[in-house]
Amino acid sequence: DAKTTQPNSMESNEEEPVHLPCNHSTISGTDYIHWYRQLPSQGPEYVIHGLTSNVNNRMASLAIAEDRKSSTLILHRATLRDAAVYYCILRVEYTGNQFYFGTGTSLTVIP
Amino acid sequence: ETGVTQTPRHLVMGMTNKKSLKCEQHLGHNAMYWYKQSAKKPLELMFVYNFKEQTENNSVPSRFSPECPNSSHLFLHLHTLQPEDSALYLCASSQGTGSSYEQYFGPGTRLTVT
Repeated sequence: DAKTTQPNSMESNEEEPVHLPCNHSTISGTDYIHWYRQLPSQGPEYVIHGLTSNVNNRMASLAIAEDRKSSTLILHRATLRDAAVYYCILRVEYTGNQFYFGTGTSLTVIP
Repeated sequence: ETGVTQTPRHLVMGMTNKKSLKCEQHLGHNAMYWYKQSAKKPLELMFVYNFKEQTENNSVPSRFSPECPNSSHLFLHLHTLQPEDSALYLCASSQGTGSSYEQYFGPGTRLTVT
């Protein structure tokens, strides 16, 4: 399995930026880093993904370390609707189509 | 309808029943997936279909039988299930199956086996 390591939980104040870390020291050159989040009683929701360069979209930014062994998902201004479990996933080409979802980081947003 | 839809949203069935879960994607994607999410466990991939052909079966018991009649529809036929099969069953789709493609998930079917 392509393993990622994330903190079990984090807290953030509303309207503050949130930096969610992920370690993936076994990453290979063709492995994409994907982030998903899952709100209670819902299916996972795609957030962002990247290979080497930092990525931005309307939901978040993804900062990838130069050696690619770690990455950080950045929510620029946390809202109560961002409270969810965030999953960092390595998309490993040689294993075909599998996403390896770990236990993720449970983000609590404090009003 | 947009995105990925799943029906029913909730299902209670006895161990001797036969039921089916339905998934439909309105995104024009070519690949579809079934996942199982049990309480306190990570998502587990069950099946993968690409252009209607099954490309992956992740050692799933035969009491789960998938069907993909076209790229937009995916079914999971259930028979003689066990209580430990109670879980959230999630369907997803993606444009392709390569590592650069993101997946879009449906809301899931909450299955309870009694």
